[in-house]
Amino acid sequence: DAGITQSPRHKVTETGTPVTLRCHQTENHRYMYWYRQDPGHGLRLIHYSYGVKDTDKGEVSDGYSVSRSKTEDFLLTLESATSSQTSVYFCAISEGQGRGKLFFGSGTQLSVL
Amino acid sequence: DQQVKQNSPSLSVQEGRISILNCDYTNSMFDYFLWYKKYPAEGPTFLISISSIKDKNEDGRFTVFLNKSAKHLSLHIVPSQPGDSAVYFCAASAGRSGGGADGLTFGKGTHLIIQP
Repeated sequence: DAGITQSPRHKVTETGTPVTLRCHQTENHRYMYWYRQDPGHGLRLIHYSYGVKDTDKGEVSDGYSVSRSKTEDFLLTLESATSSQTSVYFCAISEGQGRGKLFFGSGTQLSVL
Repeated sequence: DQQVKQNSPSLSVQEGRISILNCDYTNSMFDYFLWYKKYPAEGPTFLISISSIKDKNEDGRFTVFLNKSAKHLSLHIVPSQPGDSAVYFCAASAGRSGGGADGLTFGKGTHLIIQP
């Protein structure tokens, strides 16, 4: 299994509070991604990174920000959580230039009440 | 606008028979296609892929077929086993032309249930 650790695994928070999810990899892969999975929507890309301090928006980036200060860590922040951000969040890494074979973490179940 | 479509939310197949999962895409820039398998409470895991220069790729019990003219791909599992029960996601990448750094575009998934 690829060395990807997501923390926390589960989180319950209240609307309006900031939340940060962490993804840590031990593979030294250049590319890192944050996806969310929702019933009826599959997996949707939130943000991605193609290097330290190099990030870009994905399909559903509104309400989210990311940071990557080190190769191994990619943080996803919900500045002010809303109930619509209740979801399962997956971090993924890739060695190549997004040419498939993304390796996924185990996910973070986030509930915003 | 959904670029990768899996129109069957669920599929039930008897153990030992063939499972066929379908996927359609609309973006003609996609040139690399993948299938991922996902069990509950786990992250998706890569299953098999195919480049647009091929029309078939086989790996053990799993075969992916690509029909570029129809913008359609399918995953065949033969024979189906109880451990194959999972959600299967079709994904696509516009690697060569799109740079590829922006990840994969996924379908909504098909829940495959293998009946004993």
